[in-house]
Amino acid sequence: AQTVTQSQPEMSVQEAETVTLSCTYDTSENNYYLFWYKQPPSRQMILVIRQEAYKQQNATENRFSVNFQKAAKSFSLKISDSQLGDTAMYFCARGGGSNYKLTFGKGTLLTVNP
Amino acid sequence: DVKVTQSSRYLVKRTGEKVFLECVQDMDHENMFWYRQDPGLGLRLIYFSYDVKMKEKGDIPEGYSVSREKKERFSLILESASTNQTSMYLCASSFSGAGGYTFGSGTRLTVV
Repeated sequence: AQTVTQSQPEMSVQEAETVTLSCTYDTSENNYYLFWYKQPPSRQMILVIRQEAYKQQNATENRFSVNFQKAAKSFSLKISDSQLGDTAMYFCARGGGSNYKLTFGKGTLLTVNP
Repeated sequence: DVKVTQSSRYLVKRTGEKVFLECVQDMDHENMFWYRQDPGLGLRLIYFSYDVKMKEKGDIPEGYSVSREKKERFSLILESASTNQTSMYLCASSFSGAGGYTFGSGTRLTVV
């Protein structure tokens, strides 16, 4: 089975600091997509950022950026200037190519402390 | 804004009951999915559908069935609810694998 691994079940960071969440994945496809989703305590899962595997440039969305290392099959999320509202469960996911299903990691619970 | 709506936020059912979880999307998406979310296990795919009246089993289909009579609606059915089906259920839809999913708010089901 092709898997997505998030090795950090929980992390914490001080407000205004930077934190990096790790994700590695397995795939045999050449064309695929990677995603980070955020699930705040209110439960609605929302898309934070996406990366197309054929693009070398790392995706960025405001304070959120990724470090995509295709050869290493690594896709980490960096959150800069952390805010209290960033407290959430974060899920890494892989999908695309010929397969429209997403495979999710088990999640990382991030707590931002004041 | 694009929306996926799950009919119930919280649900309490008795063991052996037949349970229907409803999901409706307004984006004309072809693909719809049901996941369950449990602490430490992440999201596990139960069933998905890529067209009306089409369905495919995911990773944990046992004890569940689905119905997709209309494009916008995808229902998850627990034929005879059991306590090990107590969980958070998430519905999602997508146009393609490239764009990712849009999720509903989730249904917290408790089977007693």
